[in-house]
Amino acid sequence: GIQVEQSPPDLILQEGANSTLRCNFSDSVNNLQWFHQNPWGQLINLFYIPSGTKQNGRLSATTVATERYSLLYISSSQTTDSGVYFCAVERGNNDMRFGAGTRLTVKP
Amino acid sequence: NAGVMQNPRHLVRRRGQEARLRCSPMKGHSHVYWYRQLPEEGLKFMVYLQKENIIDESGMPKERFSAEFPKEGPSILRIQQVVRGDSAAYFCASSLKGTGVYEQYFGPGTRLTVT
Repeated sequence: GIQVEQSPPDLILQEGANSTLRCNFSDSVNNLQWFHQNPWGQLINLFYIPSGTKQNGRLSATTVATERYSLLYISSSQTTDSGVYFCAVERGNNDMRFGAGTRLTVKP
Repeated sequence: NAGVMQNPRHLVRRRGQEARLRCSPMKGHSHVYWYRQLPEEGLKFMVYLQKENIIDESGMPKERFSAEFPKEGPSILRIQQVVRGDSAAYFCASSLKGTGVYEQYFGPGTRLTVT
């Protein structure tokens, strides 16, 4: 099946810093989503981005489908950004595969 | 515009008991997915259902686990004779249409603890 790799596995930032999270996948996909799982365990949809670039406030994402990767940018990080960021992909067979996540800690 | 609802949010069961987890999809969504998340891991797909149909259950254990999405009411994930290894967070997601075309929206999850 399709493999999803996220890097880095852990990231510690000072408040106000910028960061880039990466998601590599092993095959062509129809779907790609980024999620934030907050410290209370809730999964929050960030982006639905099978290709192209999107921005939402301090967050933006780019997926280069032909090269099989996606990037999530967080600018001016805040403590509330802490949590685990997951990338998930789907090939159209209903089986959404999640990466292992990047655990982000933003220190005040 | 309510999101995906799951209940209960926390469930404690003794070994051998049954666990029933409920999921109400977003309004207008007829496609439901169940995922399991073990501690410190990503989510793993279990099953995909449409109303009254199981479309793909390739991620579901063959024994003790079953899922349904009746014509009326929520989707139910049922775990019979629970064991400690079933302790996990179970998430439900819904979408407007399956086949990977549309975004999936996740519920808050049910955290199952087996004692």
